[in-house]
Amino acid sequence: GDSVTQMEGPVTLSEEAFLTINCTYTATGYPSLFWYVQYPGEGLQLLLKATKADDKGSNKGFEATYRKETTSFHLEKGSVQVSDSAVYFCALSAYSSASKIIFGSGTRLSIRP
Amino acid sequence: DVKVTQSSRYLVKRTGEKVFLECVQDMDHENMFWYRQDPGLGLRLIYFSYDVKMKEKGDIPEGYSVSREKKERFSLILESASTNQTSMYLCASSPDRGLADTQYFGPGTRLTVL
Repeated sequence: GDSVTQMEGPVTLSEEAFLTINCTYTATGYPSLFWYVQYPGEGLQLLLKATKADDKGSNKGFEATYRKETTSFHLEKGSVQVSDSAVYFCALSAYSSASKIIFGSGTRLSIRP
Repeated sequence: DVKVTQSSRYLVKRTGEKVFLECVQDMDHENMFWYRQDPGLGLRLIYFSYDVKMKEKGDIPEGYSVSREKKERFSLILESASTNQTSMYLCASSPDRGLADTQYFGPGTRLTVL
C-alpha cells in the first residue's frame, strides 16, 4: 500500500543552520505530496505542497521538490530560526488511497538560539 | 480563514465511560476526518466522511464510531473508553473529494483514559 517514510528525529540545529528533512514515498500512479507543520500546542497546518513531478513547493523560506525518479520530497531551508521549532510531517494523497492523506511519522525539529 | 474547532483541548475520562469528541468547521467543507496522533506513529485515520450522514472507516476504526448529522459537525464517539485510547485526537476538514486537497486541522483534544 501507499506509505511515507521520513527521517526520525529529533533534529537539533543552531539558528541560521541549513535544514534538510528527508522524505521518501511509495505510491502507485502520481500522488500529490505535502509537508505539514505542527507548532507546539497546535494542530497541523499545510506548509507547502506539490502536485506533479518536478514541481517545487515553497513557503516561509522552506522548499521541497517532487522527485519522481527517486520518489522523494525532501524539505529544505537555508537558514532556520528558533521559531521554526516544530514537528514536520511529510504526507501524500493518491487515488489508490481513495484521496485520503497518508502521513509520515513526523520529525521533531528544535532550533538553538 | 478556515476555522476548525474542537470541543475540548484536554479531557480526562475513566475506563468504560462513553466519550464524545466534537468537531465543527465553518467553511462549508464536504469532507471531515478524525485522526489520532501518537509518538512515533504519526497520524492514523480513524474515520472520515464525505457527506452528511455518510461515514467510512479509516485505518483504525475499532473501538470508535462517528456521527455526521450536519455538514459542519463531525463527532467521534468512544463507546467504552479504554486506556489504550489515551491519545491526541485531531479533527480535519477539506473542501471536496479531490486529489491534493489541503486538509485544515483543529487544535486537537488530548484525551487521557484512567
